[in-house]
Amino acid sequence: DTGVSQNPRHKITKRGQNVTFRCDPISEHNRLYWYRQTLGQGPEFLTYFQNEAQLEKSRLLSDRFSAERPKGSFSTLEIQRTEQGDSAMYLCASSSSGDWQIYGYTFGSGTRLTVV
Amino acid sequence: AQSVTQLGSHVSVSEGALVLLRCNYSSSVPPYLFWYVQYPNQGLQLLLKYTTGATLVKGINGFEAEFKKSETSFHLTKPSAHMSDAAEYFCAVMPNNNDMRFGAGTRLTVKP
Repeated sequence: DTGVSQNPRHKITKRGQNVTFRCDPISEHNRLYWYRQTLGQGPEFLTYFQNEAQLEKSRLLSDRFSAERPKGSFSTLEIQRTEQGDSAMYLCASSSSGDWQIYGYTFGSGTRLTVV
Repeated sequence: AQSVTQLGSHVSVSEGALVLLRCNYSSSVPPYLFWYVQYPNQGLQLLLKYTTGATLVKGINGFEAEFKKSETSFHLTKPSAHMSDAAEYFCAVMPNNNDMRFGAGTRLTVKP
């Protein structure tokens, strides 16, 4: 297992288009988190899953955003009708509910979205 | 709501000098506290964490941090800076077992 994998690494899209990002967590981890990071800021929590259940969503996650984790393994984050304000790094992290206190969250390298 | 404040968005030190990155949190109960490091175009890497037990915690790359409840602080230190320490550092608090909240970050520059 090579850690948390995110694809694509970079995405440039035109305003109004839909985009989808994928996150493959560490296989033993049952929790998966999405964060958004804008330039010069810390990551902001968007949503989190335990297995396939989406348990919490931030108010930052507008109706244009949707996240899924259909089989409790990989997750997708979709943004519909992208806006320039959506330009950011989207980070995925995973953890185990059993030992997160030992290992914390493991983050992927992120997907950088640029909306032009 | 729990939050994190990192004092100083940019810290510059000379190679071999002490590194001190400040973090204060607001919390009604003792939280779990973390420091992460981020290199350009990469994800976040865990440096160290405080959950329970000893208030002085040691992490990777020679970093350590001390949880001071009376000061609501969790400052990150390293006795001697190395050029490879140049990066963005984030303090984070976990108010419950669900999600982690991050500070705005401190960019560390190390001068030769």
